[in-house]
Amino acid sequence: ELKVEQNPLFLSMQEGKNYTIYCNYSTTSDRLYWYRQDPGKSLESLFVLLSNGAVKQEGRLMASLDTKARLSTLHITAAVHDLSATYFCAVLHPHNNAGNMLTFGGGTRLMVKP
Amino acid sequence: EPEVTQTPSHQVTQMGQEVILRCVPISNHLYFYWYRQILGQKVEFLVSFYNNEISEKSEIFDDQFSVERPDGSNFTLKIRSTKLEDSAMYFCAKGQENSGANVLTFGAGSRLTVL
Repeated sequence: ELKVEQNPLFLSMQEGKNYTIYCNYSTTSDRLYWYRQDPGKSLESLFVLLSNGAVKQEGRLMASLDTKARLSTLHITAAVHDLSATYFCAVLHPHNNAGNMLTFGGGTRLMVKP
Repeated sequence: EPEVTQTPSHQVTQMGQEVILRCVPISNHLYFYWYRQILGQKVEFLVSFYNNEISEKSEIFDDQFSVERPDGSNFTLKIRSTKLEDSAMYFCAKGQENSGANVLTFGAGSRLTVL
């Protein structure tokens, strides 16, 4: 059974600081996603990581993937209040024929204080 | 304009009642998905639907759940006899190509409250 663990579950940080969210998963997978969710809203796709060593960056967010360690990180650089949200990683289920059966982590609720 | 429109945005129902949640994709897609999120918890896969048939389903998707595409555009999730634990946000999603991978685009969700 595929398990996806995120930590921390809750993160409170000051504006301007850097921090990293971790996502560990239990079995080999071809794809890992990061999503953002604002309170009461839907899920917004941030990144999709396809291969070992993949790194993607968008603004103050950078995601990386280490398939050997089964670990992905989401690094936040010089945080700003607008980044406050819940961040989910999601891993493609092994042997998934439909192509989008994802197992989500528990989410990391990020709060950036002025 | 959202690519996936869901209705209703919020539904309150009594335990044991039937509920139908609807999803309307703007573009013509063959693959659709339903996920749910119990308040404050993780997002869980329910079912994938391809070309008018269930492709994959999770353990959550038991006999009280069904999906169909009755008119070729609307995509529905039916819960026959709701239970308290069915209270959740239900998200419809479609897959689309992005940077060489299939990425899910989620609708705004339908919040179901079972009393």
